[in-house]
Amino acid sequence: SQKIEQNSEALNIQEGKTATLTCNYTNYSPAYLQWYRQDPGRGPVFLLLIRENEKEKRKERLKVTFDTTLKQSLFHITASQPADSATYLCAGGSTLTFGKGTMLLVSP
Amino acid sequence: NAGVMQNPRHLVRRRGQEARLRCSPMKGHSHVYWYRQLPEEGLKFMVYLQKENIIDESGMPKERFSAEFPKEGPSILRIQQVVRGDSAAYFCATALGGTGSSDEQFFGPGTRLTVL
Repeated sequence: SQKIEQNSEALNIQEGKTATLTCNYTNYSPAYLQWYRQDPGRGPVFLLLIRENEKEKRKERLKVTFDTTLKQSLFHITASQPADSATYLCAGGSTLTFGKGTMLLVSP
Repeated sequence: NAGVMQNPRHLVRRRGQEARLRCSPMKGHSHVYWYRQLPEEGLKFMVYLQKENIIDESGMPKERFSAEFPKEGPSILRIQQVVRGDSAAYFCATALGGTGSSDEQFFGPGTRLTVL
């Protein structure tokens, strides 16, 4: 069955650095991948979508890449801030298969 | 524009009771998705509906669970004879487009179901 895998360990970085989160997919070839942010006790919030024919997508301090050879998407937050601390979810497929998410902690 | 609304936000039920979770889509959205999130687990797709139709229920348990999206009113996820394992956060998401569309999904705040 199709699977989305994200690093389950929390990522701790210092304010101002670039955070990089990884999403790997197996057993299918999604036409696009989506990235969401989820804060504790809240529903996910859509951030970015990248299609399989797009290598890279940017939105303000966010950047997403899509490598169909590696079956991987990378999500970058540049100049990270403590307010970026949250769980980031990768999702793909026609009825959105979600990864478990990676928690990002940005310390001042 | 009001976002996706879910109610109740918190629901406590005893084993064997019924749970009804409601989802009101964003204005103009006719596609509704229900997901379940267990502690320490990712969001799991349950069912996808359009008005008066179930399009994909491949993620929904065969027994005790049902969903509807009537012509008028909110979408309802119904769990009969709840068991402790049903305790989870249930999210609905709505979209302009449906399966195969790349439209982003807008999530509600979720209903946290606790079964005693």
